[in-house]
Amino acid sequence: DAGITQSPRHKVTETGTPVTLRCHQTENHRYMYWYRQDPGHGLRLIHYSYGVKDTDKGEVSDGYSVSRSKTEDFLLTLESATSSQTSVYFCAISESVTSGNTIYFGEGSWLTVV
Amino acid sequence: KQEVTQIPAALSVPEGENLVLNCSFTDSAIYNLQWFRQDPGKGLTSLLLIQSSQREQTSGRLNASLDKSSGRSTLYIAASQPGDSATYLCAVEAGGSEKLVFGKGTKLTVNP
Repeated sequence: DAGITQSPRHKVTETGTPVTLRCHQTENHRYMYWYRQDPGHGLRLIHYSYGVKDTDKGEVSDGYSVSRSKTEDFLLTLESATSSQTSVYFCAISESVTSGNTIYFGEGSWLTVV
Repeated sequence: KQEVTQIPAALSVPEGENLVLNCSFTDSAIYNLQWFRQDPGKGLTSLLLIQSSQREQTSGRLNASLDKSSGRSTLYIAASQPGDSATYLCAVEAGGSEKLVFGKGTKLTVNP
């Protein structure tokens, strides 16, 4: 199994509060991703990183920010959580999908915004 | 914009059947296509990766084919088992980038 750790694994928070999810990898892969998975929508990319301090937006980036200060850590922040951000969040890593490398997923972080 | 569609959304079969899952994508300018398995409450696990220059890949009872020009891929599962019950997803890159676009998956149930 790829060395990916997501924390926290489960969190309940109130509307309007900030929330940070952490993804930690031990594989030294270049690319790191945050996806959310919702019924009826499948997996959608929020943000991804292609190196330290290098990030780009995905399909559903509004309301989210990310940071990558070290190769091994990729943080996802909800500045002011809303009920629409209740979801399962998956971190993923890859050396490069366009170069034929697979992508590895973490176990997920379940976030409930009440 | 790359879009990925998987048909059917759900499939229930008796144990021992051979079955085919379908995946289609709108932009054929891809580097590769990947198939994943997801068990309930878990992350995705990579099953097969087919590079655009390849026509198929095999792993055990799984065989994935790719027709890049028509924007289609199939995942063939031979002699299905109850342990194969899971959701199967396919994914391709968006516009040749490092961003993967996923289908919504096919939920497979194999009945003993």
